[in-house]
Amino acid sequence: DQQVKQNSPSLSVQEGRISILNCDYTNSMFDYFLWYKKYPAEGPTFLISISSIKDKNEDGRFTVFLNKSAKHLSLHIVPSQPGDSAVYFCAGGRKNFNKFYFGSGTKLNVKP
Amino acid sequence: EAGVAQSPRYKIIEKRQSVAFWCNPISGHATLYWYQQILGQGPKLLIQFQNNGVVDDSQLPKDRFSAERLKGVDSTLKIQPAKLEDSAVYLCASSSAGTSGMNEQFFGPGTRLTVL
Repeated sequence: DQQVKQNSPSLSVQEGRISILNCDYTNSMFDYFLWYKKYPAEGPTFLISISSIKDKNEDGRFTVFLNKSAKHLSLHIVPSQPGDSAVYFCAGGRKNFNKFYFGSGTKLNVKP
Repeated sequence: EAGVAQSPRYKIIEKRQSVAFWCNPISGHATLYWYQQILGQGPKLLIQFQNNGVVDDSQLPKDRFSAERLKGVDSTLKIQPAKLEDSAVYLCASSSAGTSGMNEQFFGPGTRLTVL
């Protein structure tokens, strides 16, 4: 029972262009979402989060958009840099429970 | 600030053997999580501790997996006996969510377990 889904296993983007990573969730009770970035042989590192009371949160080159009616969120990276090449995980859950469900990840490759 | 520490980084065992993983969370973090990440999948929560109490262990295969967090600081996850399908990366994460309301989880580097 996958409550958070990332349907694109991989994405390739040219340096300087926009990267858009997508995530869908099924549980309408989820009110908090996070994106993590993972390099090989390392644990995931937190990137950006969004609460369901917002539809957008921005941090530098990273912006997360939330569409509650569609149960969909996306992470935009502008401009993309080669160092952004990593696996990106989306996670969602109920903030008060501090328990989050992870998607299967999208491997981003930013080509120089 | 020191990050989440895990050991060992790699472990190879034969099926039916036992194995234990250790995690030391970030100082002061009340919440500790153990995840299992199978190749090609996202992390799956096995157990969540708040201080030294278990909050959620609904996805922990209790016939073979056990975990403890004595004194509410470091934690040990054990598998006894191991099966081939236990081959995965075991991630430990900690969070100050129980006290600060911040839900960001900080992950350790993981332990890669191979069961032959």
